[in-house]
Formats: sequence, structure tokens, C-alpha cells
Amino acid sequence: GESVGLHLPTLSVQEGDNSIINCAYSNSASDYFIWYKQESGKGPQFIIDIRSNMDKRQGQRVTVLLNKTVKHLSLQIAATQPGDSAVYFCAENGAYGNKLVFGAGTILRVKS
Amino acid sequence: DGGITQSPKYLFRKEGQNVTLSCEQNLNHDAMYWYRQDPGQGLRLIYYSQIVNDFQKGDIAEGYSVSREKKESFPLTVTSAQKNPTAFYLCASKGGGLYNEQFFGPGTRLTVL
Repeated sequence: GESVGLHLPTLSVQEGDNSIINCAYSNSASDYFIWYKQESGKGPQFIIDIRSNMDKRQGQRVTVLLNKTVKHLSLQIAATQPGDSAVYFCAENGAYGNKLVFGAGTILRVKS
Repeated sequence: DGGITQSPKYLFRKEGQNVTLSCEQNLNHDAMYWYRQDPGQGLRLIYYSQIVNDFQKGDIAEGYSVSREKKESFPLTVTSAQKNPTAFYLCASKGGGLYNEQFFGPGTRLTVL
């Protein structure tokens, strides 16, 4: 299930299930979006990106969906594995394009 | 190996001392960024530089300073004016063009005693 913790929302899933992590972005002028994965004590790692002229993009076991009408981004992870446990951040390029605005993040916990 | 390096991984300083965090990249990227991350929170932009000898303040620049004398280096100084310096500091770089991701370094955890 999904719950809002003290700082970050947490999504707990069973190993092998699909995960869906959601993100609401703020700037309607943003035309580039990125998902990052951050493991404890490490720097964020690029997962997948999407431009605003697309509504779906697939990678290896991951899919990003973009709904510009409601300014919503989602990351779907197929067959979630214990190694997927991390904090996931969405980022948008904002009004100027030369810097990223990061969302607050979602903790993904995978139960074996 | 191409990438971004930050050193040291852990840094301890006494209150009132300035400290400089190192960030080096060999990706030939023009743009570099510094972020601060507090426990259980997202990334906040401190400073960024789009080209050598130029940099701009981010959202939380107060108490910090940077320089960009070389393309591959973007050091961050945490000054004594920064009221709550204890945090995880992340450096990133980005290649040319608007639609490129930022690559992050491994981070430096600064603890001020």
C-alpha cells in the first residue's frame, strides 16, 4: 500500500509485483522530465527520461507515462526486485530549461 | 573511467570553520550543479554554472560560495555564515543541449560538530 510518512511517501510492494510511482509536477512550461533512483548514501542515478512531445516511453523493465493535461508523471517498474528498493525522484526542467526542479521523492520498499 | 568524483565522502568540521567540497568531472560537460539534501528530503539547488568563469545562485545560496575556474572543476565552499551546514552534498554535471540528464557524483556527507 501507499502511505505518507513524516517526510517522504512510501510504497511497499511484494517482490515480483509491478510498482507504480507517481509524481505531480508544477510547471506547465516544463518540456523534459527525468526519473532518478537514489540508494542510501549514494548519488541519484538516471533511470529514464521523456520529452513533452511523448506520452509514454519504455526502457528495460521501466515505463514512464506523462499526462500533460493534469501535469502528472508516473514510473512503472515491472517485476519489482529487492534491488529496486530506493528513493525515486522525478525532475522537470522548469521554465528555463537549464536546471532541474526535483520532486520530494518516494521510498520504494520491496518485500521478499 | 568517465564520471564525476566528489571528495571526501565524509567530512567533519568544527562550527565556525569554512570548508571546501571538491567536485571534478571528466565528461567534458559545460554545466555543473551543487545540491544539498537533508535526511528524508529531496534535492535543493545551491549554485550552478553553465560555463567556465560563470555561475548563478540557486534556491538556497546563502552561506555558500563557488568558483568555476576550470571546466572540469566546481568546488563548493560552505562558509561559517551557513546556519545549518550538516547535510549530504551532491554535485552534478550536464552535457550540452536542453534535453540531457544530469549525472551525479557519489556525494559528500558534511557533519559540523
